[in-house]
Amino acid sequence: GAVVSQHPSRVICKSGTSVKIECRSLDFQATTMFWYRQFPKKSLMLMATSNEGSKATYEQGVEKDKFLINHASLTLSTLTVTSAHPEDSSFYICSASYNHEGFDQPQHFGDGTRLSIL
Amino acid sequence: GNSVTQMEGPVTLSEEAFLTINCTYTATGYPSLFWYVQYPGEGLQLLLKATKADDKGSNKGFEATYRKETTSFHLEKGSVQVSDSAVYFCALAYNQGGKLIFGQGTELSVKP
Repeated sequence: GAVVSQHPSRVICKSGTSVKIECRSLDFQATTMFWYRQFPKKSLMLMATSNEGSKATYEQGVEKDKFLINHASLTLSTLTVTSAHPEDSSFYICSASYNHEGFDQPQHFGDGTRLSIL
Repeated sequence: GNSVTQMEGPVTLSEEAFLTINCTYTATGYPSLFWYVQYPGEGLQLLLKATKADDKGSNKGFEATYRKETTSFHLEKGSVQVSDSAVYFCALAYNQGGKLIFGQGTELSVKP
């Protein structure tokens, strides 16, 4: 149980294009989804937290207009990297959890998306 | 502020050796503590957790005890295998599904 699917697993695109990454909870409803960025041999950096049906909360230093997050349903959140540039190349990981009426579930992670901007 | 500190890696062990990866935390109140594992090219998997002081989390031969007096949550395994080679992250959160604060990760390499 508690499977989180992330798609695509790898994407290579030209500088200036926008890239959308999807994160789906397959067998549970995710009240909260998180988006992380991970640099090589580094820890995960939380970019934003999104709750279904409301605007995402971004961490300090993360550009809202650059990294658009949508959490339109209880099973899907998307991260769009707009006008991507080589410095946006990274490993992006999502996670999801269900927290409602006292039920508190740990975060479950997707397998990540390797984004390479040429 | 809240933070998690792990021992520096990489840690290299021979198969069947005993493993300890140290983790200490700084936090107010009573957070939940977690160990996550990341295999190459993949996301993170929850390895084990403990939600209150003196709880012991265990899974797949790994275990860690929530020690409030020493603010620690060290990861141990009695006999490691090559398949345990991965990066291990210690983390804390105030709700199990809430915002996680990660340590820097410790890379483990197990040689046959």
